[in-house]
Amino acid sequence: DIQMTQSPSSLSASVGDRVTITCRASQSSSSYLNWYQQKPGTAPKLLIYAASSLQSGVPSRFSGSGSGTDFTLTISSLQPEDFATYYCQQSYSTPWTFGQGTKVEIK
Amino acid sequence: QVQLVQSGAEVKKPGSSVKVSCKASGGTFSSYTISWVRQAPGQGLEWMGRIIPILGIANYAQKFQGRVTITADKSTSTAYMELSSLRSEDTAVYYCARDHLSTLDYWGQGTLVTVSS
Repeated sequence: DIQMTQSPSSLSASVGDRVTITCRASQSSSSYLNWYQQKPGTAPKLLIYAASSLQSGVPSRFSGSGSGTDFTLTISSLQPEDFATYYCQQSYSTPWTFGQGTKVEIK
Repeated sequence: QVQLVQSGAEVKKPGSSVKVSCKASGGTFSSYTISWVRQAPGQGLEWMGRIIPILGIANYAQKFQGRVTITADKSTSTAYMELSSLRSEDTAVYYCARDHLSTLDYWGQGTLVTVSS
């Protein structure tokens, strides 16, 4: 199984800040890497697919980069509605596996 | 627009089984794959397995092999996930999601399964 490790596990940031979350795979997942946002009590929402493609309807302040084993999710200017938990997920090989999550909190 | 609607919360005894349903609307049900993902309280996301309704073929995460069965009824556009030999550690919210082009792009609302004696 491909293990996914996110860092940090949590972070505190202010509205307007630039936020970066990293995800590392235990072996190459090519560009088969997705990012999800989850707010309390709701299902995850797809933000970025194929490492850098923005899902329809997702604000352009979200961006993704990377390939192979190292990936990054960036929020260019944090908005109040962005406080949530973010997960990376590899879809290179089953079982699909997720990072442990990064909780973005208000500073 | 694809919509996935899951069955309601369940309370089960240890050792019993639970079957959660996921009814799809919009899109063509038989042409895509449905995955099941669970989330224990305060924990992360864990993929359990998936099914391709048009083929009726399912594959499962090794961790759940032998305890989980995922099926689909094309006539009602409904997928099912049955988990047996329940233990307290299976207490979680169970989600179905459309597994399309290597993404989980549409999700059900989640079903809370509580395992308690």
